[in-house]
Amino acid sequence: TQLLEQSPQFLSIQEGENLTVYCNSSSVFSSLQWYRQEPGEGPVLLVTVVTGGEVKKLKRLTFQFGDARKDSSLHITAAQPGDTGLYLCAGANAGGTSYGKLTFGQGTILTVHP
Amino acid sequence: GAGVSQSPSNKVTEKGKDVELRCDPISGHTALYWYRQSLGQGLEFLIYFQGNSAPDKSGLPSDRFSAERTGGSVSTLTIQRTQQEDSAVYLCASSPEPRATGELFFGEGSRLTVL
Repeated sequence: TQLLEQSPQFLSIQEGENLTVYCNSSSVFSSLQWYRQEPGEGPVLLVTVVTGGEVKKLKRLTFQFGDARKDSSLHITAAQPGDTGLYLCAGANAGGTSYGKLTFGQGTILTVHP
Repeated sequence: GAGVSQSPSNKVTEKGKDVELRCDPISGHTALYWYRQSLGQGLEFLIYFQGNSAPDKSGLPSDRFSAERTGGSVSTLTIQRTQQEDSAVYLCASSPEPRATGELFFGEGSRLTVL
């Protein structure tokens, strides 16, 4: 069974601070996705990383996929109250009958205070 | 429709009753997934459909859980003889095709509370 360990589980910070969320596994994934979920809604995709060592930037968000494709991180610069939400990492494996099936981490609940 | 639609949005039932949860995916999406999310937690995979067939049912927790998909579109997740541990948000997602790097489009979920 593949597992994704996300840390920290909870993060409460002030507006303007930087933060990093980590997603680690002992398994190799063919790709890794990050989703953001707000209360009462479904998760929404932020980014997909595919290549080991890949770094993607989305405005103030920076995503990195580890060289061995077992871990990933999400870094937010100058957090804003609008960044508040549940952040989920999800790994995928190609092939077999579970093509497109994702294994999710437990999530990080981020609260950014004005 | 514009997005994945799920109904009901909230369901409160008594222990031992059967419940049906419905998912209407984005038109044209061939892949459909059901996940379960406990309070503030990550998502637990339940079942995957490609068209009307379910190549992967490995996440269904017990034989009280079943799902079907008809016409390559609407899917129904049925939970028989509900238990309190079944209380969770049930999320449905669809994608244009099953790809490892493909985005999943999620509905808003059906919150099930078993008393």
